[in-house]
Amino acid sequence: GQQLNQSPQSMFIQEGEDVSMNCTSSSIFNTWLWYKQDPGEGPVLLIALYKAGELTSNGRLTAQFGITRKDSFLNISASIPSDVGIYFCVNSGNTPLVFGKGTRLSVIA
Amino acid sequence: DTAVSQTPKYLVTQMGNDKSIKCEQNLGHDTMYWYKQDSKKFLKIMFSYNNKELIINETVPNRFSPKSPDKAHLNLHINSLELGDSAVYFCASSPGLSKTQYFGPGTRLLVL
Repeated sequence: GQQLNQSPQSMFIQEGEDVSMNCTSSSIFNTWLWYKQDPGEGPVLLIALYKAGELTSNGRLTAQFGITRKDSFLNISASIPSDVGIYFCVNSGNTPLVFGKGTRLSVIA
Repeated sequence: DTAVSQTPKYLVTQMGNDKSIKCEQNLGHDTMYWYKQDSKKFLKIMFSYNNKELIINETVPNRFSPKSPDKAHLNLHINSLELGDSAVYFCASSPGLSKTQYFGPGTRLLVL
């Protein structure tokens, strides 16, 4: 079955630093989604990517759909304490959705 | 204006009991889901309903029985609760299959 490998598993960074995380898959995907889960809450969609090579920004967040359609990255610039949480990459375009195992981000003020 | 709501938020119960978790969405979506998130935060889909019909059932013990009385509701009934059922259960909805999903706040189930 499809597998999503997300890295790093966890990150501890200083406030103001930039963050980069990525996701690779064993299969080609039509859509990449990036979700964030705040502590004690449900996941919330951050960015959706629909085409290979697509680069999309949402405020301080930037995500790209890899050309091979098997990978995606998410960058966060100038991190702030509220960026703390778990970031999931998600395959979409197939059923059921497959979630990566998440990158746990901690921001030290 | 909660889009996807779940009740209860916390549920503590004894092993062997039967319990239900309720989910409602006011987004007008056709598709609803139940996910289980374990202690390592891995999210795994359990069920999906589209227009009140079961379309995904991911190797879940038959002690778990979803019920969709209408498109806006998807409830989860669990019989004979076991220790391993302790987890956070998330309901989600989407305007169609394979579309962006909107998650509820989760139900934290602890089986003692």
